[in-house]
Amino acid sequence: EVQLVESGGGSVQPGGSLRLSCAASGFTFSTYWMHWVRQAPGKGLVWVSRIVGDGSATNYADSVKGRFTISRDNAKNILYLQMNSLRAEDTAVYYCARAAVATRNAFDIWGQGTMVTVSS
Amino acid sequence: QSVLTQPPSASGTPGQRVTISCSGSSSNIGRNTVNWYQQLPGTAPKALIYSNNQRPSGVPDRFSGSKSGTSASLAISGLQSEDEADYYCAAWDDSLNGVLFGGGTKLTVL
Repeated sequence: EVQLVESGGGSVQPGGSLRLSCAASGFTFSTYWMHWVRQAPGKGLVWVSRIVGDGSATNYADSVKGRFTISRDNAKNILYLQMNSLRAEDTAVYYCARAAVATRNAFDIWGQGTMVTVSS
Repeated sequence: QSVLTQPPSASGTPGQRVTISCSGSSSNIGRNTVNWYQQLPGTAPKALIYSNNQRPSGVPDRFSGSKSGTSASLAISGLQSEDEADYYCAAWDDSLNGVLFGGGTKLTVL
């Protein structure tokens, strides 16, 4: 079964750091581009970041550029999101999503999400 | 951050046909394909339509998508109670170099 499982969420104070993980199974992880998408409580979906299959290229939303780093370990089938200098406005459920082969910016598989709360 | 424009809400009765619009610009919908996602209450989003009008396997043909210029729309025919959900459009934006989502449309089945 094709599956994405996020972990690493939790509560952190403003200015703190967290690393999210997304474990992939049921498909050849290294051949797929991967994305992170977040959703603040009661709000809509917001794209965060993208990484290509071999990890050689990344993109970020302006709101997280310079603070968040996306990476992947294709040997372990894990996607990461390192989040530094966290702010209250980063509070959200964070989803990892697989990019469809046919169109790299369509998300065909989503994880269940992990909650990040930034509060003092 | 810019978003694609969707109506915040839509509604219909069982069996009806409803459409949800998504308006963008030349840097996103005008140049790139549009994707649609369904988010049932309390769950993760699910792919509904990709590349403007393609349905992933398992998505009923009651769902269809179209695109014209800088706008797109999602149509749901034969509305069912289980279609009650939030619907989001999305497209790559060449200016922002990232994916833009619409604000979401909450569909209520009356």
